[in-house]
Amino acid sequence: GEQVEQLPSILRVQEGSSASINCSYEDSASNYFPWYKQEPGENPKLIIDIRSNMERKQIQELIVLLDKKAKRFSLHITDTQPGDSAMYFCAASATGANTGKLTFGHGTILRVHP
Amino acid sequence: GPKVLQIPSHQIIDMGQMVTLNCDPVSNHLYFYWYKQILGQQMEFLVNFYNGKVMEKSKLFKDQFSVERPDGSYFTLKIQPTALEDSAVYFCASSFQGDTQYFGPGTRLLVL
Repeated sequence: GEQVEQLPSILRVQEGSSASINCSYEDSASNYFPWYKQEPGENPKLIIDIRSNMERKQIQELIVLLDKKAKRFSLHITDTQPGDSAMYFCAASATGANTGKLTFGHGTILRVHP
Repeated sequence: GPKVLQIPSHQIIDMGQMVTLNCDPVSNHLYFYWYKQILGQQMEFLVNFYNGKVMEKSKLFKDQFSVERPDGSYFTLKIQPTALEDSAVYFCASSFQGDTQYFGPGTRLLVL
């Protein structure tokens, strides 16, 4: 089955700087890559996603990049704020395979220091 | 965004008892999922359900687990009997067309 690796496990940045999280996957059939933000005691919340027909997507301060050849995708948060501190999970899915199950990375704890 | 509801938010039961976790998915969604999350770890896929049937289940979906959604009511996960290792947070998710998934608030299950 699909395996998703996520690095780093912990990321500390200064407020106003950028933060980058990298993920890789194994299954070439994966074609949908969402990112979730989870705060302590809360459910995962979808923040941005990208499909395999795109290489780059941006929503405000969030940028996701997808390199299908290398089977890598990444999240970049520009101008980080203390409210961005949370656990972030990448995931991969092969939609159209009648399942759509998400395989998650192990997560990255992001701490934005004032 | 779309809201998925889960009942109860917390459940404490004795090992060997049965438990049913309830999920109220987004009203027009067609695909339903259960994920298990142990503290500090990622969500792990258990099962997905579409058109009244289980489409895929993982190794974590033991024989003691079952899912159903009778007549468009709650999408339920039943564990019978429960074991200590079933203690976790269980998230329900739903999707309209099998890609973008929205997660509920989770049920925190503690098996004693």
